[in-house]
Amino acid sequence: DAKTTQPTSMDCAEGRAANLPCNHSTISGNEYVYWYRQIHSQGPQYIIHGLKNNETNEMASLIITEDRKSSTLILPHATLRDTAVYYCIVRVAGWQTSGSRLTFGEGTQLTVNP
Amino acid sequence: GAVVSQHPSWVICKSGTSVKIECRSLDFQATTMFWYRQFPKQSLMLMATSNEGSKATYEQGVEKDKFLINHASLTLSTLTVTSAHPEDSSFYICSARDGGAFYEQYFGPGTRLTVT
Repeated sequence: DAKTTQPTSMDCAEGRAANLPCNHSTISGNEYVYWYRQIHSQGPQYIIHGLKNNETNEMASLIITEDRKSSTLILPHATLRDTAVYYCIVRVAGWQTSGSRLTFGEGTQLTVNP
Repeated sequence: GAVVSQHPSWVICKSGTSVKIECRSLDFQATTMFWYRQFPKQSLMLMATSNEGSKATYEQGVEKDKFLINHASLTLSTLTVTSAHPEDSSFYICSARDGGAFYEQYFGPGTRLTVT
């Protein structure tokens, strides 16, 4: 799986959009970009994933650059409960290989301030 | 849907004893389950991968005789930490892969183990 690079930490004001960047310059054509988050002392929570098109769900939006070498996770209206470590993971989709599994980097600690 | 539970959520045990952690997929069949360990202020580290009915595959540096994994059914996997020592104190998280169409991976809430 391709390696990703994320900032160690970011701050965001409550109610504002949080934009979390991720670089994945060695991504392969069949690899997806996944985002998970981990609130303190809890298991990781799936947020969103995408291949090349921008994606949006009830939690967030995922913007992937045209060359797919980087992406941005957007939390449109951050709340205090969004304070967590956010992990950007690049991997082959689960249904494409039974051997695929999620490996975590260091992630970005997002702190939402009142 | 896609709920994974762990039991217990936290456990304290004495050094030298063994402790078992259960991981269950509640509403799907998990052909593969994963066990992760997380030390304070660190990321999740994959310990092992288990497929139902077969032996687990351990990551490099993980002692298979110390961390016994059993995946006897499509909804249950157990991790037993044998002869626990204080350095085994950690947050253990299981994950299950849905054996259905999309093979996505879902995480349990974690188990906090403290060895005294």
